[in-house]
Amino acid sequence: EAGVTQFPSHSVIEKGQTVTLRCDPISGHDNLYWYRRVMGKEIKFLLHFVKESKQDESGMPNNRFLAERTGGTYSTLKVQPAELEDSGVYFCASSQGRGGYGYTFGSGTRLTVV
Amino acid sequence: AQSVSQHNHHVILSEAASLELGCNYSYGGTVNLFWYVQYPGQHLQLLLKYFSGDPLVKGIKGFEAEFIKSKFSFNLRKPSVQWSDTAEYFCAVTAYSGGYQKVTFGTGTKLQVIP
Repeated sequence: EAGVTQFPSHSVIEKGQTVTLRCDPISGHDNLYWYRRVMGKEIKFLLHFVKESKQDESGMPNNRFLAERTGGTYSTLKVQPAELEDSGVYFCASSQGRGGYGYTFGSGTRLTVV
Repeated sequence: AQSVSQHNHHVILSEAASLELGCNYSYGGTVNLFWYVQYPGQHLQLLLKYFSGDPLVKGIKGFEAEFIKSKFSFNLRKPSVQWSDTAEYFCAVTAYSGGYQKVTFGTGTKLQVIP
């Protein structure tokens, strides 16, 4: 089966610009998660979709971040306008059930804001 | 809320040396425990997991971890490391949040194995 796919793998943008990250989960996985790792720190939860609904968005840092999941399939995470502190690696993961058996992660998108 | 501590941020070992990476978690309820690994240039992969039963869990590539409930620990071990084990290792715990299991990660430990 295909894994979790993220693109782009790497994005470099200027402060104030907009960037959209995409995640395609494993087919049939209702749960989709976004995580972020800022340099050298822990991987932090951003939000959790169940199908097209936001189950938990408690980790979203501020209103410059907007996540959507169209039709319960792929998801996008838009940062507008980007700030320097948004730089990091953004991971997407998906799972079946209620997530207790571990997630399958994508390879991540490395975002650099200059 | 749950939290995870990994004590070693960077570990350097020679090939054939034994490995133990520490992990402690903080959560009052029932947890599931995981170790993930990220090899250079690759995505996060599940190394092993503990849900219940035998507290000594064996994973892929000769890794194992022991859950010690009284110490809130889930340390990762390997008797003899190889150069190919060079990677970053993340301890993680899931706990129920809003009816779903939510994964919380530690800060990660970079392991460098010297040939």
